Amino acid sequence: QTVVTQEPSFSVSPGGTVTLTCGLSSGSVSTNYYPSWYQQTPGQAPRTLIYSTNTRSSGVPDRFSGSILGNKAVLTITGAQADDESDYYCVLYMGSGIPVFGGGTKVTVL
Amino acid sequence: QLQLQESGPGLVKPSETLSLTCSVSGGSISSSNNYWGWIRQPPGKGLEWIVNRYYRGTTYYNPSLKSRVTISEDASKNQFSLKLSSVTAADTAVYYCATWSGSVSFDIWGRGTLVTVSS
Repeated sequence: QTVVTQEPSFSVSPGGTVTLTCGLSSGSVSTNYYPSWYQQTPGQAPRTLIYSTNTRSSGVPDRFSGSILGNKAVLTITGAQADDESDYYCVLYMGSGIPVFGGGTKVTVL
Repeated sequence: QLQLQESGPGLVKPSETLSLTCSVSGGSISSSNNYWGWIRQPPGKGLEWIVNRYYRGTTYYNPSLKSRVTISEDASKNQFSLKLSSVTAADTAVYYCATWSGSVSFDIWGRGTLVTVSS
């Protein structure tokens, strides 16, 4: 069974840049997996940030961007702010109607 | 703008069936091009996709849960429902309903509802 991998945690300074990755236990991520990214603060429902690799959802600040880098999908936060401190999840579409969540990355801004 | 709201019992006994409903406002489940889905999150853990269903159409299941999952819809109430049978403590989680859209992503999310499995 294919596992979607994410870093467990990351720390970034206010105003800094952080790049989160989303990979596969076997193989490379491409746009064909339609990577999407979700932000979740404690006690809240997830919020969709990015879909189809690099398209921002409505209302998402442009400091959030998505791309493919090497064999992984990445979410980059440029100019991190205190309220970016959240858990971030990626989803890869495996085909045949099956989306798979990564384990999530906890981002701390300090 | 679509809005989703989950509802159902907060406590279910082991071996029984968990039943949840997602009420949809701001649009019709029967005329939307979305899939309607369920995702769950055990306390302190990550998100797990359960099922997506197109209105009266194709249904896709997480293979690890397929044998226990039923999803249905009631267009007259503009709701869709999840049933998960033979629950154990491992099914304790916050359950979210969400749309899976043509953008190949989860789009609109409900606020979630906590279901605890305990005797």
